[in-house]
Amino acid sequence: ETGVTQTPRHLVMGMTNKKSLKCEQHLGHNAMYWYKQSAKKPLELMFVYSLEERVENNSVPSRFSPECPNSSHLFLHLHTLQPEDSALYLCASSQVGQANTEAFFGQGTRLTVV
Amino acid sequence: GDSVTQMEGPVTLSEEAFLTINCTYTATGYPSLFWYVQYPGEGLQLLLKATKADDKGSNKGFEATYRKETTSFHLEKGSVQVSDSAVYFCALTLYSSASKIIFGSGTRLSIRP
Repeated sequence: ETGVTQTPRHLVMGMTNKKSLKCEQHLGHNAMYWYKQSAKKPLELMFVYSLEERVENNSVPSRFSPECPNSSHLFLHLHTLQPEDSALYLCASSQVGQANTEAFFGQGTRLTVV
Repeated sequence: GDSVTQMEGPVTLSEEAFLTINCTYTATGYPSLFWYVQYPGEGLQLLLKATKADDKGSNKGFEATYRKETTSFHLEKGSVQVSDSAVYFCALTLYSSASKIIFGSGTRLSIRP
């Protein structure tokens, strides 16, 4: 496998459920990101992990909980979500410390909260 | 603070028309500049990039030139195709905080046959 892989591609969950989104990168990168993309809104950076440490957390509600067990894997644990959390969740990776690096994105998980 | 501003969409053009999507930036250091494209149902993918002033990035007939004097990185294509219909994002990174990627709000482009 190559690139950045996200699973599942689609997820429907109730407000009382607990689920997790998974992201895996096979590029040898040392930074991983979660973004939220809602209809008619700009991309929202949620979390950044660099060298497996969380370096950015943009005031994301605690019902979203990230986990980065190693440099290749990133999870987003979800619990007691709200309907407004329905969105496309994008994972990305990049090589921090290297000038001119670009981010590589997964195809996203389309989340619907009912 | 550091930011990226790009033109509001949606932009609708006929096939073979000339395309320009404006992008300007504000940055405290010396950014690298990028254009990403998002096709329907997909994640973002890099379209082109430029890493220093006067560099021109190009790919798939798209071009953008890093203009430091106007802090701009406008995306252009001479003759668009229906398959170019997508959302385009301008972005920057700063070497001083390379883990931070700053995106513009995106411009939706629709091409009519």
